[in-house]
Amino acid sequence: GESVGLHLPTLSVQEGDNSIINCAYSNSASDYFIWYKQESGKGPQFIIDIRSNMDKRQGQRVTVLLNKTVKHLSLQIAATQPGDSAVYFCAENPSYGKLTFGQGTILTVHP
Amino acid sequence: DTEVTQTPKHLVMGMTNKKSLKCEQHMGHRAMYWYKQKAKKPPELMFVYSYEKLSINESVPSRFSPECPNSSLLNLHLHALQPEDSALYLCASSHAPGLAGYEQYFGPGTRLTVT
Repeated sequence: GESVGLHLPTLSVQEGDNSIINCAYSNSASDYFIWYKQESGKGPQFIIDIRSNMDKRQGQRVTVLLNKTVKHLSLQIAATQPGDSAVYFCAENPSYGKLTFGQGTILTVHP
Repeated sequence: DTEVTQTPKHLVMGMTNKKSLKCEQHMGHRAMYWYKQKAKKPPELMFVYSYEKLSINESVPSRFSPECPNSSLLNLHLHALQPEDSALYLCASSHAPGLAGYEQYFGPGTRLTVT
């Protein structure tokens, strides 16, 4: 399933499935984007980043895709595990020193 | 060491109290940040320090006063807060803006309750 990161949506998947979390960013001047994971009671944890001169970047089990034409960012998590359950935020860097967060998506992984 | 530490973890204060939140990092980062996060909402930027100088203040009320004593420490002084200021206060650090790889690393936050 897919989610749009504007209203704190939820995504529920089974363990082992692939997850796709979407985010619409607002500022066409943003040149740097980050995905964060935030577990209950903790601060946001860096997952992966991408610069505006790229359209895809892969990490361990995660892939970020950037479509600048429609100002859309997605995070793909392969073989989702219960430990991946958290709130996921995209963040954009619209100007010097600033990071603006999207509304977040709650990911729940069922064993 | 990729850790940002924050103290205290929890803080309860009255509206007439003065308290301070503390943040520390030893990653050699020269940019440090304060964010406020309400429940079920994303973090919102409050202040940015770059090379120990305040570079961004996002129109934060003066009852919040940031301080950066040196490149590893960041404080947030609190005075005459309102109940609506109750939130999770997050500190983050990064390489200075404009340099490569300036992802922000976050601390665990201080859960503040104003009574």
